Amino acid sequence: GENVEQHPSTLSVQEGDSAVIKCTYSDSASNYFPWYKQELGKRPQLIIDIRSNVGEKKDQRIAVTLNKTAKHFSLHITETQPEDSAVYFCAASRGGGNKLTFGTGTQLKVEL
Amino acid sequence: GAVVSQHPSRVICKSGTSVKIECRSLDFQATTMFWYRQFPKKSLMLMATSNEGSKATYEQGVEKDKFLINHASLTLSTLTVTSAHPEDSSFYICSAMASGVGSEQFFGPGTRLTVL
Repeated sequence: GENVEQHPSTLSVQEGDSAVIKCTYSDSASNYFPWYKQELGKRPQLIIDIRSNVGEKKDQRIAVTLNKTAKHFSLHITETQPEDSAVYFCAASRGGGNKLTFGTGTQLKVEL
Repeated sequence: GAVVSQHPSRVICKSGTSVKIECRSLDFQATTMFWYRQFPKKSLMLMATSNEGSKATYEQGVEKDKFLINHASLTLSTLTVTSAHPEDSSFYICSAMASGVGSEQFFGPGTRLTVL
């Protein structure tokens, strides 16, 4: 089955700096890669996703890059703000009605 | 956007009792629903995949007789934790997916189960 690894497990940045979280996956048939933000005790919220037919996607301060050959994808957050502090999860799926496999999570802390 | 609700949001029960958690898609028909379990500071672990009108598919290591899943309609799936024990205490989250609408899963708000 699919295995998704995520690094780092914790990340502290100064407000205004950039944050990068990286994930690798094992299943070459995976073609859908979402990123979720989860605040304590809340549901995961989709912040951006990418499909395997593109290499990069951007939405304001958030961007995701995908390298299918190397089987890794990354989340980039620019101009970080305190409200970006949360746990971020990457995930991978074969798409359609298939299940998501989640990474282990990254606790991001944006310090003033 | 698509809305998924869960009920109850929080439940405390005694060891040995059974607890039912409901997951509803409020504004779309969910052909597939997923049930996850999340321990503190850990990732979401998929327990089972539920398709309307058919038996759930359980992940390896998840006891199907312990965690009963029923997906009786296109808007409702239930998870029943039978004979709950303290080690079953966790955050249970469902998600729902509509047919023909990409691959996005819409998550419920979660249910915090505490077994005394």
